[in-house]
Amino acid sequence: QVQLVESGGGVVQPGGSLRLSCSASGFTLRNYDMHWVRQAPGKGLEWVAVIRYDGSNKFYGDSVKGRFTVSRDTSKNTLYLQMNSLTNEDTAVYYCFNDYEDYWGQGTLVIVSS
Amino acid sequence: DIQMTQSPSSLSASVGDRVFITCRASQGIRNHLSWFQHKPGKAPKSLIYAASGLRSGVPSRFSGSGSGTDFTLSISSLQPEDSATYYCQQNDSYPLSFGPGTKVAI
Repeated sequence: QVQLVESGGGVVQPGGSLRLSCSASGFTLRNYDMHWVRQAPGKGLEWVAVIRYDGSNKFYGDSVKGRFTVSRDTSKNTLYLQMNSLTNEDTAVYYCFNDYEDYWGQGTLVIVSS
Repeated sequence: DIQMTQSPSSLSASVGDRVFITCRASQGIRNHLSWFQHKPGKAPKSLIYAASGLRSGVPSRFSGSGSGTDFTLSISSLQPEDSATYYCQQNDSYPLSFGPGTKVAI
């Protein structure tokens, strides 16, 4: 059974860091492009980042470029999003997803607040 | 970067109605457009890929059309479970981008 399970969300102070994880089962991450998407409270969907299937290329949205890093551990079949220099504007539910197969995680909430 | 716009921002319709949502890209994106449905508290769901390809398991009342800069999502006979926010997304070039969404109320 295919599952994407996110973890690592929580409350963090402005300027702080957080690492989100997305553990995949039922399929192999390294065979697909994997994305992060977020939704801030009361706002629409925002594309955050992608790591290409071969792991060689990573791309980011303008609002997170230079602060967020997407990576994966193929031995653990897990995707990560390292988030640094967090601001209030990063408060959102974060989803990992496989766009080729339309597999989504359940979302993990990140709250940036002092 | 490619900017996406959608209209209308919201609509209210009745069961059985046919509704259209339009999406426009700031530059040509060929047919590299997807449509997503998002309900509160749930993960988004892909409906349409490559502008007009219907995802497996998605009801046939959903259809997509368009190419270049102008696209349309159509729901032929609106059902109560179609109440949601709908987003277009361009996947022609990075950074990918979503439209602002269209909230459909029934």
